[in-house]
Amino acid sequence: NAGVTQTPKFRVLKTGQSMTLLCAQDMNHEYMYWYRQDPGMGLRLIHYSVGEGTTAKGEVPDGYNVSRLKKQNFLLGLESAAPSQTSVYFCASSYRTIEAFFGQGTRLTVV
Amino acid sequence: GIQVEQSPPDLILQEGANSTLRCNFSDSVNNLQWFHQNPWGQLINLFYIPSGTKQNGRLSATTVATERYSLLYISSSQTTDSGVYFCAVNLGHDMRFGAGTRLTVKP
Repeated sequence: NAGVTQTPKFRVLKTGQSMTLLCAQDMNHEYMYWYRQDPGMGLRLIHYSVGEGTTAKGEVPDGYNVSRLKKQNFLLGLESAAPSQTSVYFCASSYRTIEAFFGQGTRLTVV
Repeated sequence: GIQVEQSPPDLILQEGANSTLRCNFSDSVNNLQWFHQNPWGQLINLFYIPSGTKQNGRLSATTVATERYSLLYISSSQTTDSGVYFCAVNLGHDMRFGAGTRLTVKP
């Protein structure tokens, strides 16, 4: 039972490049979330999804897009990366509003 | 939006000491979780505690939802307890985090 798996674990992008972060969960959870963590600021919610085919904006959605085509996967896209998007990205899933579980994180550097 | 405040922001202890971390939130919530982020960045679930008291070994947590706060107790601290402790509240469709308490346990 892998839980929540994020791909990749590390990535370096040049300004203006695009990329997609993949989150996969094997717990049949309905809710999935994407967060970013910056030094000294805790975790901030980017986007979330309450079910397959649905997504919604969180606190800091600008510059990101998401898709939830399959229940087990939640993708986070950066269309044109900026240095301000250098951060550690975490994905999480939960059964409705009950206990959430996190992936191991993706460290992204935009140069 | 809901405000989640954790105190203290930093805490330094000698091994064996006890500590209490606090989480205040500004509105009614569906549930509350405590996490430990270890020095390698991994987020570890400690407690799912919308109300009441739970204990797990040296750690225990209490949430008083009607008064909008939660407490995390660490007894007989060990160096492996070092890291950042976060509380997170669930508003129904999303989950918001406090800024965390950074705990350093010295041998």
